[in-house]
Amino acid sequence: DAGVIQSPRHEVTEMGQEVTLRCKLISGHNSLFWYRQTMMRGLELLIYFNNNVPIDDSGMPEDRFSAKMPNASFSTLKIQPSEPRDSAVYFCASSSSRDSNNEQFFGPGTRLTVL
Amino acid sequence: AQKITQTQPGMFVQEKEAVTLDCTYDTSDPSYGLFWYKQPSSGEMIFLIYQGSYDQQNATEGRYSLNFQKARKSANLVISASQLGDSAMYFCAMRGWYSSASKIIFGSGTRLSIRP
Repeated sequence: DAGVIQSPRHEVTEMGQEVTLRCKLISGHNSLFWYRQTMMRGLELLIYFNNNVPIDDSGMPEDRFSAKMPNASFSTLKIQPSEPRDSAVYFCASSSSRDSNNEQFFGPGTRLTVL
Repeated sequence: AQKITQTQPGMFVQEKEAVTLDCTYDTSDPSYGLFWYKQPSSGEMIFLIYQGSYDQQNATEGRYSLNFQKARKSANLVISASQLGDSAMYFCAMRGWYSSASKIIFGSGTRLSIRP
């Protein structure tokens, strides 16, 4: 299995531009998590889905952020318009409710820089 | 509410020594799971070890063991015979089986540096 796949790995954009981050889950997993990591705030859960349904989006910073799961294996996190304070590493993780430990497998992350 | 606390922002340890990374937690869930992840400088998050709240024995995975003390609500990670490659950030995490569905909350992390 290829593991969780994220793209792009690095993104540099200018303030005001739209940014779309992509994530492909591990085959057979049914839970999807988006995290943001910064030096100041550590690892923050933004939103998570179970079986394509958003369960908890309380971590989404504001309306500029949106996340979707158009199908069971793929998700996008969109920031529109982007701001310099959005600069961070964004991780996607997936897990399976059939796994008794419910361990989350992380993707390699997308390093976002907003100038 | 659930909470994970890691009180050691950074630690330095001599190579080949054992090291204990502290983690305390708080939850009202009767059943929960505890995790440790490693994040090396390359940035990826690597799962290390898992402990269920009803497991009778402390979890072990190779050089990693989890010192689980339920009454004290602590889940310390012990790394035996530390190696230079163990230098990384280490995160303690928890999932409450009833209150938070699949959601896992993470502590603030401990940066471990191994000296040669």
